[in-house]
Amino acid sequence: EVQLLESGGGLVQPGGSLRLSCTATGLSFGRYAMSWVRQAPGKGLEWVSAISGAGTTYYADSVKDRFTISRDNSKNTLYLQMNSLRAEDTAVYYCAKISGPYDHYWGQGTLVTVSS
Amino acid sequence: DIQMTQSPSSLSASVGDRVTITCRASQGTNNYLAWFQQKPGKAPKSLIYAASSLQSGVPSKFSGSGSGTDFTLTISSLQPEDFATYYCQQYNSYPLTFGGGTKVEIK
Repeated sequence: EVQLLESGGGLVQPGGSLRLSCTATGLSFGRYAMSWVRQAPGKGLEWVSAISGAGTTYYADSVKDRFTISRDNSKNTLYLQMNSLRAEDTAVYYCAKISGPYDHYWGQGTLVTVSS
Repeated sequence: DIQMTQSPSSLSASVGDRVTITCRASQGTNNYLAWFQQKPGKAPKSLIYAASSLQSGVPSKFSGSGSGTDFTLTISSLQPEDFATYYCQQYNSYPLTFGGGTKVEIK
């Protein structure tokens, strides 16, 4: 069974930083592109960033130059370093395999709240 | 960017009804189109990938069809556990983009 387990969310002040992690089990992690997707309270889904198995990165315009995605295939772990956080970054952040072949998977999410 | 437009944005249906949700892309997606379900306070759950491939473990009452820019999710016989919000998503190109969602409510 594939599981994606996020961690690292919490309350942070505007301008602050946070690093999210996502550990995958039951999946040939290094073979697949992985994404971060967020959902603000009461809103729809917004793709944030993705990284290919080889490490090519992609970002939404709303987070470019503030967020950095990375992965450690030896640890089956995906990361999202979030800097210069704003109130509008408040959301549940999901780790997901939502591109490429075969089944797609979502983690359970981790809440990031940006507030003073 | 590929824009995804879902319709309707909400619908009311009864248990046992056949429900169809449509999704239109602003340009071709090479059938890299997924559907998933989300219940309140829960993570999304994948249903369909590659436009018509059923995710492992998903019941066969869910089916996807379509090609090019127009796609459909069908629930053959709506059950109480199916009342949720459904989203489409294209993964043909970055940025990945989502439809606005279709909320399926009990009539």
